[in-house]
Amino acid sequence: LAKTTQPISMDSYEGQEVNITCSHNNIATNDYITWYQQFPSQGPRFIIQGYKTKVTNEVASLFIPADRKSSTLSLPRVSLSDTAVYYCLVGDESGATNKLIFGTGTLLAVQP
Amino acid sequence: EAGVTQFPSHSVIEKGQTVTLRCDPISGHDNLYWYRRVMGKEIKFLLHFVKESKQDESGMPNNRFLAERTGGTYSTLKVQPAELEDSGVYFCASSQERIRRGYTFGSGTRLTVV
Repeated sequence: LAKTTQPISMDSYEGQEVNITCSHNNIATNDYITWYQQFPSQGPRFIIQGYKTKVTNEVASLFIPADRKSSTLSLPRVSLSDTAVYYCLVGDESGATNKLIFGTGTLLAVQP
Repeated sequence: EAGVTQFPSHSVIEKGQTVTLRCDPISGHDNLYWYRRVMGKEIKFLLHFVKESKQDESGMPNNRFLAERTGGTYSTLKVQPAELEDSGVYFCASSQERIRRGYTFGSGTRLTVV
């Protein structure tokens, strides 16, 4: 399974755009990139998934360069409620279990 | 739809005692997973049920942990006897399909062994 590396923490202010980059140099051809968000005292929550180029939904955008060795989660105009830990996960969808392999995640702290 | 429900939300027990955690998945979700985060560590996979069958229990730490899913509905995770290093947050998740974007997690059970 591809190992992921992301910053331990990031600070931002309300209204700013936040970009969290994840490195996954050993990503395999069949691997997808999936991001989860975890608020304090809650379980992780799926936010976005992509394979290549750009994916956008109502919560975030995910940018994946052609070599797929990294990905960037972009949160537009963050608010205080976006303070959470963001996890980048890499793996294929064809396994019998598809268990999630969590790293340390990035703690995003949004200030007023 | 109702989410994944875990009970209790907190549990404090003494070393050597037994504790049973319960997870009610989203109705109709055949896949049920247990994960945990022990103090200072990352969230780790414990096991995966498909209906009532254990698909993958490679993450279960030792034989003090017993997971069941009777009738393919709710699941229990029993720790007997509990040790200090079992303290942490235990998460349950369920999914309809076995895809990484399909997980719905519960809020977890915080277990403290003293």
